[in-house]
Amino acid sequence: NAGVTQTPKFRVLKTGQSMTLLCAQDMNHEYMYWYRQDPGMGLRLIHYSVGEGTTAKGEVPDGYNVSRLKKQNFLLGLESAAPSQTSVYFCATKVGDDPYEQYFGPGTRLTVT
Amino acid sequence: AQKVTQAQTEISVVEKEDVTLDCVYETRDTTYYLFWYKQPPSGELVFLIRRNSFDEQNEISGRYSWNFQKSTSSFNFTITASQVVDSAVYFCALSGPYNFNKFYFGSGTKLNVKP
Repeated sequence: NAGVTQTPKFRVLKTGQSMTLLCAQDMNHEYMYWYRQDPGMGLRLIHYSVGEGTTAKGEVPDGYNVSRLKKQNFLLGLESAAPSQTSVYFCATKVGDDPYEQYFGPGTRLTVT
Repeated sequence: AQKVTQAQTEISVVEKEDVTLDCVYETRDTTYYLFWYKQPPSGELVFLIRRNSFDEQNEISGRYSWNFQKSTSSFNFTITASQVVDSAVYFCALSGPYNFNKFYFGSGTKLNVKP
């Protein structure tokens, strides 16, 4: 039972390159989230999904796209990376709509040069 | 607007000392939920506690205790007899009532417990 896993753990991109971060969960949770964590700013919600085939914007969605083709996977894409997207990205899951706690993955450290 | 403030950026204590991490929140809603998460050096956030706005009872779990005071919009976290393993960044977060997908996190407090 791996919980929430994220791939890759680290990545360095050049400005303008694209990449996809994968979040996978084996807990059968309906809700999935992508956050970014920057120094001194806590976690900010990028996008989230309330179920397979659905996505919604969070607090800082610009420059990112997401897809939830399968219930267990939530992908975060950067089409044209910018240095401002250097951050640590966390995926999280939640059982359902109620205010349950979120379960977090280990994070992906992305550097854009 | 929802907002969470953790004014203590970093705290250093010596093992066995007690330490309190402050969390002040802002919301116009009467129904909301507050959370504390721990982020150890490994990076993964770990859930510690959830409290709803109608339950002001303090909670104790082992060496951890939480003091929720609606009158001062605070949800403070105390570690008694701190240990080196408590060294981590601690986040306070606010959610609800209309969208439980929106969690508003504070900026975190880094706790260093020295042996």
